Amino acid sequence: GQQVMQIPQYQHVQEGEDFTTYCNSSTTLSNIQWYKQRPGGHPVFLIQLVKSGEVKKQKRLTFQFGEAKKNSSLHITATQTTDVGTYFCAGGGSGGYNKLIFGAGTRLAVHP
Amino acid sequence: DVKVTQSSRYLVKRTGEKVFLECVQDMDHENMFWYRQDPGLGLRLIYFSYDVKMKEKGDIPEGYSVSREKKERFSLILESASTNQTSMYLCASRPTRGPSTEAFFGQGTRLTVV
Repeated sequence: GQQVMQIPQYQHVQEGEDFTTYCNSSTTLSNIQWYKQRPGGHPVFLIQLVKSGEVKKQKRLTFQFGEAKKNSSLHITATQTTDVGTYFCAGGGSGGYNKLIFGAGTRLAVHP
Repeated sequence: DVKVTQSSRYLVKRTGEKVFLECVQDMDHENMFWYRQDPGLGLRLIYFSYDVKMKEKGDIPEGYSVSREKKERFSLILESASTNQTSMYLCASRPTRGPSTEAFFGQGTRLTVV
């Protein structure tokens, strides 16, 4: 079945450093979504990418969807302590019932 | 304010008990999901439902069943709870169409099986 791999599993950065997490799917995706889960909370939607090669920005966050629609990345510029949490990518399969498969997540720790 | 509500935040059950986890959404979404979250393993899909009475197995359905008799309610059933089912369970819903098909999550149920 469809698999979504995400790396790295953990990332520790100093405040002000950049951070990137990568997501790869075993199959072509109809779209990809990114979520953030704060410690003790539940995942909260950040963004959805649909088009091949799409790039979207939200302030210090940059999201990319690969040309083949099988990989994606999230880049945070100049991390802040408020960025702490686990970032998940989630792939929507092509065809069928809006199934949403999550990657294992990247846990980000930011040291002040 | 959109809402996905899970019936319990914390639950402790004994091995062999039948356990029901309930989830209700008020957004008229077609799709509902049950995930379990374990450290280092992310969110693993147990079951999802794309319509009333319709369901499809996810990646780890063994030991679980589901029920969707009404559009707003999706129940996860542990037929005979075992200690390896101790986990955080997250329910989610999402629409099929619209400008955004984001998933909305409940607050989670932390289940401990003793």
